Amino acid sequence: NAGVTQTPKFQVLKTGQSMTLQCAQDMNHEYMSWYRQDPGMGLRLIHYSVGAGITDQGEVPNGYNVSRSTTEDFPLRLLSAAPSQTSVYFCASSYLPGQGMSPLHFGNGTRLTVT
Amino acid sequence: KNEVEQSPQNLTAQEGEFITINCSYSVGISALHWLQQHPGGGIVSLFMLSSGKKKHGRLIATINIQEKHSSLHITASHPRDSAVYICHLLISGTYKYIFGTGTRLKVLA
Repeated sequence: NAGVTQTPKFQVLKTGQSMTLQCAQDMNHEYMSWYRQDPGMGLRLIHYSVGAGITDQGEVPNGYNVSRSTTEDFPLRLLSAAPSQTSVYFCASSYLPGQGMSPLHFGNGTRLTVT
Repeated sequence: KNEVEQSPQNLTAQEGEFITINCSYSVGISALHWLQQHPGGGIVSLFMLSSGKKKHGRLIATINIQEKHSSLHITASHPRDSAVYICHLLISGTYKYIFGTGTRLKVLA
């Protein structure tokens, strides 16, 4: 039982490059979400999904795309990286929020630098 | 004004001290959670609250829904408690979480 697996752990991109951050969970969680963590800002929700085929925007969605083709996977795509996207990214999953008070399970994070 | 405010931002304590971290919020919530982020960056969930009080070992979390306030207490603090503690809220009627900026705790031996 691996929990939430995020890859890569570190990534350096040049401005304009694209990349995909991978997130997978093996707990059969309906809810998956992506956050960015910046100094002094706290974690901020980028996108979330409540099941396969269903995604929605969070607080800071611009510049990011997501899809949820399976229950297990929730990749985050940066189509054209910008220096403002330099951050630490976390994926998290849980059973559907509001049902049974399910805690978020976090991946170990991806440290992304855009130069 | 942020919807979630934590205080203090930084806290240094001597081993054995009783510690209180506060979280105030201004929105309607379905649940409030406390997280611990270790120096290496890993994040673990400590508590989920919708009312009252919960205790786990040396950790106690309380919430006052009317006052929109929660506290996390650590009794008999230990250097291994050194971490960033984060409160986060599930906004009522949504699947969206918002987070406090965290309290950085350092416990000295």
